Amino acid sequence: QSALTQPASVSGSPGQSITLSCTGTSSDVGAYNYVSWYQQHPGKAPKLMIYDVSNRPSGVSNRFSGSKSGNTASLTISGLQAEDEADYYCSSYTTSSTVVFGGGTKLTVL
Amino acid sequence: QVQLQQSGPGLVKPSQTLSLTCAISGDSVFSNSAAWNWIRQSPSRGLEWLGRTYYRSKWYNEYAVSVKSRIIINPDTSKNQFSLHLNSLTPEDTAVYYCGRDLNAGVDSWGQGTLVTVSS
Repeated sequence: QSALTQPASVSGSPGQSITLSCTGTSSDVGAYNYVSWYQQHPGKAPKLMIYDVSNRPSGVSNRFSGSKSGNTASLTISGLQAEDEADYYCSSYTTSSTVVFGGGTKLTVL
Repeated sequence: QVQLQQSGPGLVKPSQTLSLTCAISGDSVFSNSAAWNWIRQSPSRGLEWLGRTYYRSKWYNEYAVSVKSRIIINPDTSKNQFSLHLNSLTPEDTAVYYCGRDLNAGVDSWGQGTLVTVSS
């Protein structure tokens, strides 16, 4: 099972909106609405930000939103803040009953 | 609120078996809505899902293809915890290992992480 494809880095200025992409195949992202997004700050465990493509866990800011089209999922962060600077990972359930992660995107807030 | 507490060695020799335990508080390993995962992270491999165990009237296990021949994830129902056993270790298995709870909606709770180094 190959990892999902994410851009290595993305940057944006405070207040801007940015969108992170996550590309898979018809065997993972395209197969189910079971895409999750995680935020990870250095030295910390990942934190769940989005589940089932577009749902936010309790306590996660509504500045974070998710969507999917075909084999590509997206995470949009609106009103970018300094604290959003982190690594972001997507994951998907697969048709092989496994879970696959993306390689991660480093978000820099300029 | 669920809490996951990991325990296990930080240094393991090549060819040996890694054993890690994840103690659960605030939930039950028997939960019919949770799955109990092991995930690792290294600079070279990024986040890598290793496998999970869950109870739905009976126990199920699912494992990543990359480690399927070397891994066992076991529930310990008497202690409300679950464990990871990964054998035939090589330096490529050096990583931070996490346990995590998945409510069929992403991993919402994570252990503190254990840095495991495979070295003689």
